[in-house]
Amino acid sequence: QVQLQQSGAELAKPGSSVKISCKASGYTFTSYYISWIKQTTGQGLEYIGYINTGSGGTNYNEKFKGKATLTVDKSSSTAFMQLSSLTPDDSAVYYCARGTTDYWGQGVMVTVSS
Amino acid sequence: DIQMTQSPSVLSASVGDRVTLNCKASQNINKYLNWYQQKLGEAPKLLIYNTNNLQTGIPSRFSGSGSGTDYTLTISSLQPEDVATYFCFQHNSWPGTFGAGTKLELK
Repeated sequence: QVQLQQSGAELAKPGSSVKISCKASGYTFTSYYISWIKQTTGQGLEYIGYINTGSGGTNYNEKFKGKATLTVDKSSSTAFMQLSSLTPDDSAVYYCARGTTDYWGQGVMVTVSS
Repeated sequence: DIQMTQSPSVLSASVGDRVTLNCKASQNINKYLNWYQQKLGEAPKLLIYNTNNLQTGIPSRFSGSGSGTDYTLTISSLQPEDVATYFCFQHNSWPGTFGAGTKLELK
């Protein structure tokens, strides 16, 4: 069965960075890209971008350029998203999803607070 | 970016009711429209992809339709477990964009 297992909740200080992971199982990892989505109460769901798990190529929503960096480790079937220069507006639940979002991870809550 | 407008924002219905949720795009999205169900504290779950294709394992009481800018999710007979928030998502144009959701409650 397809599973996307994400890393645990993060508490970070303003100005710092966090790197969250998404480990895939139950399918051929490089056959689907991984999408990343942000969810907040105020802004709802926002599509951050995706990474081609085979080539490592990326495509970012303009809004998240400079904020999110997507990488992949094919050897462990894991995708990563680093969020940099954190501000309270980055506090959210972040999801990874397979391809055009047919399967989702359980989400990672990131809280940015001093 | 394409704006996705869902209506109503909250819908109260009874068990057994036929329920219709709407999603309107700010421009033609060529049927590249997905529907998701999100229960409290859980990740969204794909119900329907590309307007009218039922995702594996989803009950047949869920169906989707539409074209151009207007799309609909229908639940033919509402069940208690269908209480959730429902989101639409267009992936025709970059970046993909979500609607704000319809919260479905039991009357």
